[in-house]
Amino acid sequence: NAGVMQNPRHLVRRRGQEARLRCSPMKGHSHVYWYRQLPEEGLKFMVYLQKENIIDESGMPKERFSAEFPKEGPSILRIQQVVRGDSAAYFCASSPNEGGYGYTFGSGTRLTVV
Amino acid sequence: KQEVTQIPAALSVPEGENLVLNCSFTDSAIYNLQWFRQDPGKGLTSLLLIQSSQREQTSGRLNASLDKSSGRSTLYIAASQPGDSATYLCASTGANNLFFGTGTRLTVIP
Repeated sequence: NAGVMQNPRHLVRRRGQEARLRCSPMKGHSHVYWYRQLPEEGLKFMVYLQKENIIDESGMPKERFSAEFPKEGPSILRIQQVVRGDSAAYFCASSPNEGGYGYTFGSGTRLTVV
Repeated sequence: KQEVTQIPAALSVPEGENLVLNCSFTDSAIYNLQWFRQDPGKGLTSLLLIQSSQREQTSGRLNASLDKSSGRSTLYIAASQPGDSATYLCASTGANNLFFGTGTRLTVIP
């Protein structure tokens, strides 16, 4: 069991470019969550998805950010027209159900906007 | 909205000491309480999960307790080692996501 796989581990983008972050959940997990960790801050919830559905996006910024979890393939967090304030570590977690058995996190993608 | 607080923010102890990390949360309607470890520049490693109906969980030198009525959880580390140095995060689980504290940064001095 490879666990939750995130790629890339590190991503550098210039201001105005697009960033795409990928997350493959653990085998058997159909619930995916994205969290953001800003420098010197705690992890903050962004979005919760099940296959082909966004369940809760209450933590997502209203503009430039989107997420999907297609029927086939990994979950994608997409940030359009990145700004320096988007620089952070983005973590993906998965669970087999609605959190009742806990969450497994990936190693994260560290986005740096220059 | 759930608020999770961890005290202390940082802690340094000599090797071999036993220690307790504290976590408090404002809303007792949680699914479970999970403790994680985060090493610098790395992801989160799950340490212990306490379901809402449970009072404690143990794994090796780690013991976590949960008191929902008072909104508190503790993580007890016995016989600390330099390899235990990391940031420890507690998180309460709602229906759709985790609410994290800001963590306790632990340094175990050889």
